[in-house]
Amino acid sequence: GAVVSQHPSWVICKSGTSVKIECRSLDFQATTMFWYRQFPKQSLMLMATSNEGSKATYEQGVEKDKFLINHASLTLSTLTVTSAHPEDSSFYICSARDLAWPLSSYEQYFGPGTRLTVT
Amino acid sequence: AQSVTQLGSHVSVSEGALVLLRCNYSSSVPPYLFWYVQYPNQGLQLLLKYTSAATLVKGINGFEAEFKKSETSFHLTKPSAHMSDAAEYFCAVSDQNTGTASKLTFGTGTRLQVTL
Repeated sequence: GAVVSQHPSWVICKSGTSVKIECRSLDFQATTMFWYRQFPKQSLMLMATSNEGSKATYEQGVEKDKFLINHASLTLSTLTVTSAHPEDSSFYICSARDLAWPLSSYEQYFGPGTRLTVT
Repeated sequence: AQSVTQLGSHVSVSEGALVLLRCNYSSSVPPYLFWYVQYPNQGLQLLLKYTSAATLVKGINGFEAEFKKSETSFHLTKPSAHMSDAAEYFCAVSDQNTGTASKLTFGTGTRLQVTL
């Protein structure tokens, strides 16, 4: 149980184009999903918190207009990198919390990640 | 504000030797603490978590960690390393008093190498 998938697992795009990454909770409902980015040999940095049916909450320094997040259902959140540039190349990881668990559980289930390369 | 410090970005042990990965936290309120493992090009897998119950927490794959409030530490240990333990390990802290979706703050990670 508690499986989170991401699609695609890797993507290469040209500079200036937009890329959409999907994050799905496969066997549970998630009101909240989180988006992280990870540079090589570095830790995970939280980009934004995605709440179903409402606007995402972005961390300081993350451009809202560049990283568009949509959480249209309890099982799907999408991250769109608009007008991508080489510096956006990174490993993007999503996580989700199971709606059935109490808030005190605080456990997040992570997806396998999406490697984005912008040429 | 919370923070996590992982001492040692790289730890190397022999197969069968004790594994000790250090994690110290800073939090103004009682924390929840987590250890995650990441294999190359993969997401994170939860090893274990401390959520204010028993201070000695046992996780998967033979790992355990002890919450020591006086030392603000949550070090990860395993009595006998296996080759398959080679991976990146992240310590993370969450504020248990957060009313809404809690956010995880990660340490910088420790790469564990296991040698023959």
